[in-house]
Amino acid sequence: DAKTTQPPSMDCAEGRAANLPCNHSTISGNEYVYWYRQIHSQGPQYIIHGLKNNETNEMASLIITEDRKSSTLILPHATLRDTAVYYCIVRVAARHSGGGADGLTFGKGTHLIIQP
Amino acid sequence: DAGITQSPRYKITETGRQVTLMCHQTWSHSYMFWYRQDLGHGLRLIYYSAAADITDKGEVPDGYVVSRSKTENFPLTLESATRSQTSVYFCASSPRDITYGYEQYFGPGTRLTVT
Repeated sequence: DAKTTQPPSMDCAEGRAANLPCNHSTISGNEYVYWYRQIHSQGPQYIIHGLKNNETNEMASLIITEDRKSSTLILPHATLRDTAVYYCIVRVAARHSGGGADGLTFGKGTHLIIQP
Repeated sequence: DAGITQSPRYKITETGRQVTLMCHQTWSHSYMFWYRQDLGHGLRLIYYSAAADITDKGEVPDGYVVSRSKTENFPLTLESATRSQTSVYFCASSPRDITYGYEQYFGPGTRLTVT
């Protein structure tokens, strides 16, 4: 699986868009980009994932560059409850990994702090 | 309520005792996972299961046993607890089959302390 690089921490003002970058320059063609977050003392929460097209859901938008070497998670109107550690994970789809749905590898992530 | 639950939420046990952590999901997801989270290590996969009666080892399986007789339950047993197994344990499930990726939904965690 491709390695990811994220800034260790970021601040964002409440109500503003939070843009979290992730570098995955060694990503291969069959690897997806996943974003999860973990609010203090809670289990990780799935946010969004994508392969090459930009994706949007009720929580966030995912922008993947054309060369797929980096991506940005956008929380459009950050609230205090969005303060969490955000993890960018690159993972090959299970159908390309020998058939097993083995687990995710969480790195250190970005600690996003939403300021009031 | 629908979702994924874990019990107990907190457990203190002594070295050498057997302890079982429970995980229950109401979505009928095929895949279930057990992770542990420790400071400095992030989340690490212990075991996973693709379906009832199908389990496989993850990154750190030693000292743990799992079973999955029913789709909705995936208990994790520490056969003889050690202090190094003090950790927060998360269970997760995934709705996807093997043709898709890793959209996983996590439980609230069990904080286990081994004294």
